[in-house]
Amino acid sequence: EVQLVESGGGLVQPGGSLKLSCAASGFTFSGSIMHWVRQASGKGLEWVGRIRSKANNYATEYAASVKGRFTISRDDSKNTAYLHMNSLKTEDTAVYFCRVWLGELLRDYWGQGALVTVSS
Amino acid sequence: EIVLTQSPGTLSLSPGERATLSCRASQSVSSNYLIWYQQKPGQAPRLLIYGASSRATGIPDRFSGSGSGTDFTLTISRLEPEDFAVYYCQQYGSSPFTFGRGTKLEIK
Repeated sequence: EVQLVESGGGLVQPGGSLKLSCAASGFTFSGSIMHWVRQASGKGLEWVGRIRSKANNYATEYAASVKGRFTISRDDSKNTAYLHMNSLKTEDTAVYFCRVWLGELLRDYWGQGALVTVSS
Repeated sequence: EIVLTQSPGTLSLSPGERATLSCRASQSVSSNYLIWYQQKPGQAPRLLIYGASSRATGIPDRFSGSGSGTDFTLTISRLEPEDFAVYYCQQYGSSPFTFGRGTKLEIK
């Protein structure tokens, strides 16, 4: 069974840092592209970024709103993707989801979401 | 970046009716790499359509996607009670992979 489980959310002050984890199971993690998507309360979805596989040199791409502050990484030995968030702003407050598309199954999977609250 | 404009913002229909949702891109979406999602309160989004017109695994055939270039449409042929939700389009043809702001499909 495919599962994505996020952890690491919480309350952080403006300017602070936080690291989210996305633990994956049930599929070949090392060959998969992992995405992060966020959603502020009552608002729409916002794509945060993605990390490609080792075959594509772990290339990353980011939304303009987080570029230079957020970094996506992965540890294929632990089947885990990470979202490192620095210089957090109040507008970064949201539920953060990790997501993967599995072409062999013709569907995608999402984690349950991790709530990040940036407030003083 | 590509801006996706979804219309209408809210659509009020009754079960059994046909729903037509629009997603217009500010520039052509490469290879028609467009996704439609459904999201219900408190849940992660559910991917319905990828590549503008291909149904994901397990998605009922009352959901269909069409369009190319800059104009895309999600059609729900006969609304079931469980279809009332918010629908988002997302393009994945060029980074950043932007979302539309969503269409809320509500019961009339």
